[in-house]
Amino acid sequence: DAGVTQSPTHLIKTRGQQVTLRCSPKSGHDTVSWYQQALGQGPQFIFQYYEEEERQRGNFPDRFSGHQFPNYSSELNVNALLLGDSALYLCASSLSAGTGELFFGEGSRLTVL
Amino acid sequence: AQSVTQLDSQVPVFEEAPVELRCNYSSSVSVYLFWYVQYPNQGLQLLLKYLSGSTLVESINGFEAEFNKSQTSFHLRKPSVHISDTAEYFCAVSGGYSGYSTLTFGKGTMLLVSP
Repeated sequence: DAGVTQSPTHLIKTRGQQVTLRCSPKSGHDTVSWYQQALGQGPQFIFQYYEEEERQRGNFPDRFSGHQFPNYSSELNVNALLLGDSALYLCASSLSAGTGELFFGEGSRLTVL
Repeated sequence: AQSVTQLDSQVPVFEEAPVELRCNYSSSVSVYLFWYVQYPNQGLQLLLKYLSGSTLVESINGFEAEFNKSQTSFHLRKPSVHISDTAEYFCAVSGGYSGYSTLTFGKGTMLLVSP
């Protein structure tokens, strides 16, 4: 049973560019959440997708957007990249009626130069 | 809004010694509590969770945590640590206005186990 998979694992972009990160949830899970983990910090909630809709959103600007597909996989898009967007982006999956127990992927490390 | 405070950013300890990683949370409503562990260059793995029932919860690798509602704490303990326990540990809470399917994390505590 595959867990949560994310791609790419590492990428380097320059300021102003756009990036798309991808996530496949754990088998049987229908909810995908995205977190940003800056160096030396705990993960910060970006948003959550369920039934192809954004269900909740954290305190992130509109430059951060996402999508969920019918097979429950998800994308995170970041436009107009800033140096401060450099971080590990974590995808987590769960059941919609769950208790907050999230299953995390290994993350996509984004470096913005 | 909820918040989680991990009082120590780094805890150095010798192998086979006991350790306690402290976590306090603030919330005006019922919450669920979690400890996640992150090994270098990896994602987060659930270590243990408190949802309801017994206030003392245990993991399969010897860690335990106790939910103390009056002190709003969920400290993590292990009676004897191993070198392989070296990792970053995150306390997290779900519930309240954010709902039970999103987590609010603390800043993490780096556990450094030396021989």
